[in-house]
Amino acid sequence: DQQVKQNSPSLSVQEGRISILNCDYTNSMFDYFLWYKKYPAEGPTFLISISSIKDKNEDGRFTVFLNKSAKHLSLHIVPSQPGDSAVYFCAASFLSGTYKYIFGTGTRLKVLA
Amino acid sequence: DGGITQSPKYLFRKEGQNVTLSCEQNLNHDAMYWYRQDPGQGLRLIYYSQIVNDFQKGDIAEGYSVSREKKESFPLTVTSAQKNPTAFYLCASRRLADSNNEQFFGPGTRLTVL
Repeated sequence: DQQVKQNSPSLSVQEGRISILNCDYTNSMFDYFLWYKKYPAEGPTFLISISSIKDKNEDGRFTVFLNKSAKHLSLHIVPSQPGDSAVYFCAASFLSGTYKYIFGTGTRLKVLA
Repeated sequence: DGGITQSPKYLFRKEGQNVTLSCEQNLNHDAMYWYRQDPGQGLRLIYYSQIVNDFQKGDIAEGYSVSREKKESFPLTVTSAQKNPTAFYLCASRRLADSNNEQFFGPGTRLTVL
């Protein structure tokens, strides 16, 4: 049972345009969400996060939106750059107890020059 | 400089052999985690530890074992009982007092069982 889903395995976007990566979750008890970026044969690096008490968090070109009623979050990258080409994972977690992450299956973003 | 190291980067073993993957961190983080990544799948949690000498099973612990004798070290043993051990293994750590719940990842070890 996949608690965190990224239904688009890949996405291609033209340089300078907006990239929108989506993530859905099933467990309403998750209270913290994160996005990680991963290059091949490397460990993921943290990108941006959002607490369940917020609906938006911004950091430079990256914005994460959370819609709790729909159990949906999205990552917007504006403007997209070729260096953004990577696999993006969303993760849902709990801010107490085990602090475990549940990862989605990832979306491979390709930004075309 | 601080970080998480995993060694080796590539590891080859014969079927039926146990193999231990190293994970060391000098970030003074409390919790450490082991994940595996398979093609087309997300990262799945194998084991985690929040304090020394204590650890818990994750979602796919069968065929694996861990130890946490020191705060900075969390080695993972892939035993011969693991049915499909070939994968990319990632170690992570975090400070439990951090409010942003961020885990820091090592560079990973690709294990290939021949």
